[in-house]
Amino acid sequence: GAGVSQSPRYKVAKRGQDVALRCDPISGHVSLFWYQQALGQGPEFLTYFQNEAQLDKSGLPSDRFFAERPEGSVSTLKIQRTQQEDSAVYLCASSGTGDETQYFGPGTRLLVL
Amino acid sequence: AQSVAQPEDQVNVAEGNPLTVKCTYSVSGNPYLFWYVQYPNRGLQFLLKYITGDNLVKGSYGFEAEFNKSQTSFHLKKPSALVSDSALYFCAVRPMNSGYSTLTFGKGTMLLVSP
Repeated sequence: GAGVSQSPRYKVAKRGQDVALRCDPISGHVSLFWYQQALGQGPEFLTYFQNEAQLDKSGLPSDRFFAERPEGSVSTLKIQRTQQEDSAVYLCASSGTGDETQYFGPGTRLLVL
Repeated sequence: AQSVAQPEDQVNVAEGNPLTVKCTYSVSGNPYLFWYVQYPNRGLQFLLKYITGDNLVKGSYGFEAEFNKSQTSFHLKKPSALVSDSALYFCAVRPMNSGYSTLTFGKGTMLLVSP
């Protein structure tokens, strides 16, 4: 596909469960970003990858959040022991070398009960 | 640290009338500025950006935005609104001299275009 894809689109988890969210960036895009969008808010930065290197994880809200991109393409955001406050839409974006524009996927809506 | 303010939670306009969605920003140094649109249950769709050059930037679907450095603003405009323009609009900024393009977003403005 031509765009960024994310799966699953929707996830319901019981409090305390672990979840894994997948992002497939646009082919060839070096940079990959994860954002968290709470209800009624704008997206907030979580973490940034350049190829397989995680260069910035300053936005991850706690050590329960972990992201990886082992081969410099697909990325997974993992949330351990989910809490109700983790309920949000998780957006992935990618950008190509020399392009300032980030292209977003459709997001994963996570609901923690 | 950079920030973006979108002072209006909602903008209402009649179809065929011009629309403006306001955005002001704060950033160290010169900015890169972006507008994105979000339809229900969809991700953010890129509309336009200001990097350098002409202060009036033209983007997708007839939208344009004007960069005003003295007022630190980047308002989104369209001469004639369509009902299909109804959506949530986000302004975003990053410093030009940062090493990578992490964006800071505003809270969003809901645009409602009535028939």
